[in-house]
Amino acid sequence: AQKITQTQPGMFVQEKEAVTLDCTYDTSDQSYGLFWYKQPSSGEMIFLIYQGSYDEQNATEGRYSLNFQKARKSANLVISASQLGDSAMYFCAMRENSGYALNFGKGTSLLVTP
Amino acid sequence: DGGITQSPKYLFRKEGQNVTLSCEQNLNHDAMYWYRQDPGQGLRLIYYSQIVNDFQKGDIAEGYSVSREKKESFPLTVTSAQKNPTAFYLCASSIVLGQADYGYTFGSGTRLTVV
Repeated sequence: AQKITQTQPGMFVQEKEAVTLDCTYDTSDQSYGLFWYKQPSSGEMIFLIYQGSYDEQNATEGRYSLNFQKARKSANLVISASQLGDSAMYFCAMRENSGYALNFGKGTSLLVTP
Repeated sequence: DGGITQSPKYLFRKEGQNVTLSCEQNLNHDAMYWYRQDPGQGLRLIYYSQIVNDFQKGDIAEGYSVSREKKESFPLTVTSAQKNPTAFYLCASSIVLGQADYGYTFGSGTRLTVV
């Protein structure tokens, strides 16, 4: 069964606008971590933000914030003030305490337009 | 600077040949991983290793083999038994911190094409 679901294959946003990328997850563990990565066309995976399951506050890193709703099992990424350089694939991933590696969603392709 | 080096960046292989992808890290991380990426599929785990001389199969290990003789190195061999090896391969490492992991670091990837 798919542990990470990203329902938006592609998204468009205008420069300087905010955008939300959706991510839902499935786990029975109480302890887990949620990650977002950015993959530009060059292929490298760039770590953006991390949220632990016991963290009471939503994680923030510069223009990136994570809207963590534990009861709904969702961990949406919010990018504020989009820039042209934000155009890339974005992956949500989870590390379960009982697991051994990151499980990734299928990704969302974001295109920022002028 | 610390990081993960994958080589080569592009690799072409004839059908029926084995090929080895290199992954080296100087981050002093205990754990290392190999992922395969296909268009529209996200990343899928091939093998992982939590410690030297030990490794475990991931979700799609068939047709692949690995070794972990040194902490810094985790090479992946794509064998002739792998039916559809054309893909983008990513190596990663992490510090294992008990209850939670932080700081998964990825290499820049190897794009393998079977010709």
